[in-house]
Amino acid sequence: EPEVTQTPSHQVTQMGQEVILRCVPISNHLYFYWYRQILGQKVEFLVSFYNNEISEKSEIFDDQFSVERPDGSNFTLKIRSTKLEDSAMYFCASSEAHGYYGYTFGSGTRLTVV
Amino acid sequence: SQQGEEDPQALSIQEGENATMNCSYKTSINNLQWYRQNSGRGLVHLILIRSNEREKHSGRLRVTLDTSKKSSSLLITASRAADTASYFCATVSHNDYKLSFGAGTTVTVRA
Repeated sequence: EPEVTQTPSHQVTQMGQEVILRCVPISNHLYFYWYRQILGQKVEFLVSFYNNEISEKSEIFDDQFSVERPDGSNFTLKIRSTKLEDSAMYFCASSEAHGYYGYTFGSGTRLTVV
Repeated sequence: SQQGEEDPQALSIQEGENATMNCSYKTSINNLQWYRQNSGRGLVHLILIRSNEREKHSGRLRVTLDTSKKSSSLLITASRAADTASYFCATVSHNDYKLSFGAGTTVTVRA
């Protein structure tokens, strides 16, 4: 069964440092997403990406965040200057069609900002 | 807010029993999806029900949707210990296509 792969599984970083979270979506999917889940809270939408550009983003996705699809397979989320409140589980997801099919999620990257 | 809200927050049942959880949402939807999350792991898509559908089955899962009440239910029949997980409903509206998740129901199946 095709799967979405995320690396690393766990990242610890100092406050103020930049982090890049990596994802390899399913190869024939066209829509890519980042969600996050702060411990004990709801899963929150961050951004959707299609045709090499952001199609939608949430209020959480401010100037500190950026996404990129640097090649045909990887999809990255960069946080420029991490804050303590960025500590969360970050999930990448991909889908064949925007909103009309189930999404395939990766196992997540647990980001801890210290 | 579009987000679904699950009820109950937690559910503990004996293996072999059925588990039912509910989801309510606030605005009109394109579809509603249910996901499972094992502790510390990713979200696994279980089933999607479109706004013009009322019931859907997948193996031991049965989902209903009542758009007039803006609610959905997920029934897991003949539960197994491996069904122990958190279950989330997520809605997709007509206006945008992001998933809006509820807070989830934590299901514990006792052997």
